[in-house]
Amino acid sequence: DIQMTQSPSSLSASVGDRVTLTCRASQTISRYLNWYQQKPGKGPKLLIYIASTLQSGVPSRFSGSGSGTDFTLTISSLQPEDFATYYCQQSYSTPYTFGQGTKLEIK
Amino acid sequence: QVQLQESGPGLVKPSETLSLTCTVSGGSINNYYWIWIRQPPGKGLEYIGYISYSGTTNYNPSLRSRVTISVDASKNQFSLILSSVTAADTALYYCARGIMMVRGGQHFDQWGQGTLVTVSS
Repeated sequence: DIQMTQSPSSLSASVGDRVTLTCRASQTISRYLNWYQQKPGKGPKLLIYIASTLQSGVPSRFSGSGSGTDFTLTISSLQPEDFATYYCQQSYSTPYTFGQGTKLEIK
Repeated sequence: QVQLQESGPGLVKPSETLSLTCTVSGGSINNYYWIWIRQPPGKGLEYIGYISYSGTTNYNPSLRSRVTISVDASKNQFSLILSSVTAADTALYYCARGIMMVRGGQHFDQWGQGTLVTVSS
């Protein structure tokens, strides 16, 4: 199985900050990397797919980049509703696997 | 807007079979992939498997011997069966819709809210 490692595991930031979350794959996955946001008591929400394609309806302050083994999710200016847990997921090969998550908390 | 809703027993005894259904509303079950994912309490997300609109299945090897995913297009539902459960199967179970890209890759664009299944005697 392809192992996905996210860093940091948690991050404290303030409204208006620019933050970057990182996801690393244990082997190359081309650009088959998706990002999800999860809030307590809710199912995950798709933000980005194929590394950098913004899902319809997702604010443009979210952006993704990377290829191969290293990927990033950037939020350009944090809004109060962005404080949540973020997961990356590879779809290069099955079984699809997720990172352990990055919890973004209010400073 | 398509919506997914999981349903099924919240408590299952060890060694018995877990059975969940996902009802899809606001859209057709055809032409998509249908996914089951679980999340043990306080932990990350684990892919269980999928079924395509044509009936092709894919299961996580770690669960393959115990898992069956099926679809009932007439009811716009798909189901998960997990046999011989143990406490390690206690988790929040999500159903989701998968989009398989022509050039490769799959992403999950719609999710249910999840249903907690506890395995305990």
